[in-house]
Amino acid sequence: AQKITQTQPGMFVQEKEAVTLDCTYDTSDQSYGLFWYKQPSSGEMIFLIYQGSYDEQNATEGRYSLNFQKARKSANLVISASQLGDSAMYFCAMRRSGTYKYIFGTGTRLKVLA
Amino acid sequence: EAGVTQFPSHSVIEKGQTVTLRCDPISGHDNLYWYRRVMGKEIKFLLHFVKESKQDESGMPNNRFLAERTGGTYSTLKVQPAELEDSGVYFCASSQDNRVTGELFFGEGSRLTVL
Repeated sequence: AQKITQTQPGMFVQEKEAVTLDCTYDTSDQSYGLFWYKQPSSGEMIFLIYQGSYDEQNATEGRYSLNFQKARKSANLVISASQLGDSAMYFCAMRRSGTYKYIFGTGTRLKVLA
Repeated sequence: EAGVTQFPSHSVIEKGQTVTLRCDPISGHDNLYWYRRVMGKEIKFLLHFVKESKQDESGMPNNRFLAERTGGTYSTLKVQPAELEDSGVYFCASSQDNRVTGELFFGEGSRLTVL
């Protein structure tokens, strides 16, 4: 069965510091995609970053990077130089190749402190 | 370009009543999805439309839920009759293609509270 696990219900980080949000996944598929979404208080889910299972390099998008460790089935999100606007709920998700269904974790609420 | 819009943003109804949620996807997006998040739990897939056709409705909880997408544009999700456990945030999302890299564009969600 496909599953995404986010073990950190809440995290605090000091402004300008880096923070890692954990995500592990369970799948027997060889081809899949991993995503991170941000949900600010407004409610909208915002796409942050994508990692393909065959990508050899870790994905990066500005201050976001994905620490992909395939053997450990982990896809942690690293946010560098945290900003107050980073305070939000963060969801890790997986999509199997050939399907349209995304599987989400329970989310991690990040609070950036001034 | 307008994003995915959902209406209403919040609905409070009594158990046994009916509620209809609406989603307008991004123009040109053939794929439309409904997801639901119950408080503190993961976001769960409900169903997927490709244009007006239901591609996958394996996540629909039961026959009290009815989703439609007439004409392949906007979609509605009706809950009738609503039960307490239906409370949660209903997200609509759309995407342009079916590549595994295809990101979903989400709306802000419709919060449903059943009393």
